[in-house]
Amino acid sequence: NAGVMQNPRHLVRRRGQEARLRCSPMKGHSHVYWYRQLPEEGLKFMVYLQKENIIDESGMPKERFSAEFPKEGPSILRIQQVVRGDSAAYFCASSPGTGSSYEQYFGPGTRLTVT
Amino acid sequence: AQSVTQPDIHITVSEGASLELRCNYSYGATPYLFWYVQSPGQGLQLLLKYFSGDTLVQGIKGFEAEFKRSQSSFNLRKPSVHWSDAAEYFCAVGLPSGSARQLTFGSGTQLTVLP
Repeated sequence: NAGVMQNPRHLVRRRGQEARLRCSPMKGHSHVYWYRQLPEEGLKFMVYLQKENIIDESGMPKERFSAEFPKEGPSILRIQQVVRGDSAAYFCASSPGTGSSYEQYFGPGTRLTVT
Repeated sequence: AQSVTQPDIHITVSEGASLELRCNYSYGATPYLFWYVQSPGQGLQLLLKYFSGDTLVQGIKGFEAEFKRSQSSFNLRKPSVHWSDAAEYFCAVGLPSGSARQLTFGSGTQLTVLP
C-alpha cells in the first residue's frame, strides 16, 4: 500500500522562476495538506484541500503561492517568481475523508532550493 | 494565541537509557495531540496520537506518551533508547472543531543517542 508520494524530491530554481510541487495522497484519502519547513524550524501549515475545493488557506502567503487538488491527478503547490526565502522543505500530508481526519500521513517532502 | 512548545532543542542520551521529551501546549480547549518522528532527509512518521479516553497512550517503536490536562502537557517517553531512535521529534496539536484540520507543530527536539 503506497504511502503519500511527492515529486520531485529535490528542486532547484533560479530567482524569478516557477516551482511546481506535486503530491499524490494515500489510496482512499481525499484530504490533502501542505506544510512548509524552514531550516531549524518545525512545520508550518499552509493549506488544506479536498477534491476540487480549498478548505483552509490561512497559512498561504497572499502572493505568488497557489494550490489545487483537481478531481483527477495529484495536488499541486505552485510558487511563482520564487525568491531565496522560498527555499525550504515542503511536505504534503493526506488523511481519510471520514473519521480521524486529524491523523495525517506525510510524504517524504520536496526540498526546494532557490539560487 | 495557540502555541506548542518543545522546551528542549537538543537532548543526548546513552543507548539503553530512558528518554522523556517534553511538549506543552496553549489552547482554549483540549486539542488532539500527536508525536511525529523525522529522520534526516525524510518525511514525518506518526508515533502516537491522543484524541480522548485513557491519558496514557502507546505508540509504535516502544514509545508512549501521557496527557496531563492540569499541566497542558503531552510528554513522550521510552524506557530504553536504541541507537536507531536518533532523529528529530515533533509534537503537534489539532483543534477538534470546525472545518480546520491543520496541525500546529512545535519546533522539534533533536535526539542524539550515544553508544
